[in-house]
Amino acid sequence: EAGVAQSPRYKIIEKRQSVAFWCNPISGHATLYWYQQILGQGPKLLIQFQNNGVVDDSQLPKDRFSAERLKGVDSTLKIQPAKLEDSAVYLCASSLAHVNEKLFFGSGTQLSVL
Amino acid sequence: LAKTTQPVSMDSYEGQEVNITCSHNNIATNDYITWYQQFPSQGPRFIIQGYKTKVTNEVASLFIPADRKSSTLSLPRVSLSDTAVYYCYNNNDMRFGAGTRLTVKP
Repeated sequence: EAGVAQSPRYKIIEKRQSVAFWCNPISGHATLYWYQQILGQGPKLLIQFQNNGVVDDSQLPKDRFSAERLKGVDSTLKIQPAKLEDSAVYLCASSLAHVNEKLFFGSGTQLSVL
Repeated sequence: LAKTTQPVSMDSYEGQEVNITCSHNNIATNDYITWYQQFPSQGPRFIIQGYKTKVTNEVASLFIPADRKSSTLSLPRVSLSDTAVYYCYNNNDMRFGAGTRLTVKP
C-alpha cells in the first residue's frame, strides 16, 4: 500500500518568510497528525485531525502556525512568519482511527530558517 | 499529561538481546503503550503495541508489568541495522518520549 506522502522534502527560508508543507495520508485513514521534531528530540504533536475536524491543537503556536485538512484527506501546515526556532523536521502521520491505532509516518519536511 | 522517561542511549553488540525500559508516569487506565523505531532522515516506524503482560511479534517483545508503570521493549539478537532511536509512545495523549539511541557494534 502507498505510504504517507509529504512535500517538499527540504525547505530553506529566511526568518519572517512564510512556508507551507503538504501531506497526503494513507487512503482510508481518518486521523491525520502533524508533528514537529527538533534535532535530538522526540516528535512533538502540533495538531491532530479526525476527518476534517480538529481534535487537538493545544501545542500549535496559533499566532504563526495554521493547518487545515480540506475534505478530510490532504492537509497543509503553514508557518507565517517563520522564526529561527522553527527549524525542525515536520512529520505528518495518519492512522485508521483516533484511539490506540498505530501511526504511519511520512519521511518529513526538513525546514531550515536562516 | 502522562510523561514517559527512557534512557538517552544504549550500546550493544551484534547477536545480543537488548532491553529498553520506559517509565510511564500517570499512565491512564485505558492507555496503550506503543514503541516506534526511527532511522536518520525517516519518520518513526511502528514496532509493537501492548496494554498489559507480554506481546510478541516477528521483530520484538513488549513486557508490561501489572502496575503498568513501565514497559520494556526487548529486541532479540540485534544486528547492525537495528542501530536507531527507539521511542516509547503514549497512545492517549499522543506524546513521544525523548528516545533511546541504540548503537549496535560489530
